[in-house]
Amino acid sequence: KQEVTQIPAALSVPEGENLVLNCSFTDSAIYNLQWFRQDPGKGLTSLLLIQSSQREQTSGRLNASLDKSSGRSTLYIAASQPGDSATYLCAVRRRQTGANNLFFGTGTRLTVIP
Amino acid sequence: DGGITQSPKYLFRKEGQNVTLSCEQNLNHDAMYWYRQDPGQGLRLIYYSQIVNDFQKGDIAEGYSVSREKKESFPLTVTSAQKNPTAFYLCASSMRGQSGANVLTFGAGSRLTVL
Repeated sequence: KQEVTQIPAALSVPEGENLVLNCSFTDSAIYNLQWFRQDPGKGLTSLLLIQSSQREQTSGRLNASLDKSSGRSTLYIAASQPGDSATYLCAVRRRQTGANNLFFGTGTRLTVIP
Repeated sequence: DGGITQSPKYLFRKEGQNVTLSCEQNLNHDAMYWYRQDPGQGLRLIYYSQIVNDFQKGDIAEGYSVSREKKESFPLTVTSAQKNPTAFYLCASSMRGQSGANVLTFGAGSRLTVL
């Protein structure tokens, strides 16, 4: 079974810092990896989707990388802002058919201090 | 604007009662999903449906039921058989089924509390 781990569980940084969030997975046979943002009591908002054939994706101040061989993805946030405070989750879609091939990490709760 | 609407946002239930959570999408997505989120745990799949009138159990289907009579709608019933129903429930949809490259779109969630 695919295990997805996000460390640290929580992170606090001062405004303006660049930061990296980590996601690791145990099975490299994946279709894609998706990063989400979740505000307290809200649903998930998709940030970036990386296909298994890609190395990275960028959207504004966000850059996500994927290294399948090592089972790792990182989400880089440049020039952090208080509005970036949220929980960030990664989800790995595994190469398998059946009822459930999408595996979520437990998330990293980010606080950006003004 | 296209999106997923979940209702109610908050719901309180007495033990022994069934409750139904609504999920409606106007994205013309084929596949719809129900997830449960508990503190400190990743999202867990309850049920999913790839097409109208068809649905499959996820990892934690016991105590839940669903229907998919319309493409736009995928209601979830939490039955009295679910022993620990207090949780945050998330509905999602995507263009195709579980395989492929499709981005999941989520609703805002429904928080169920059992009194």
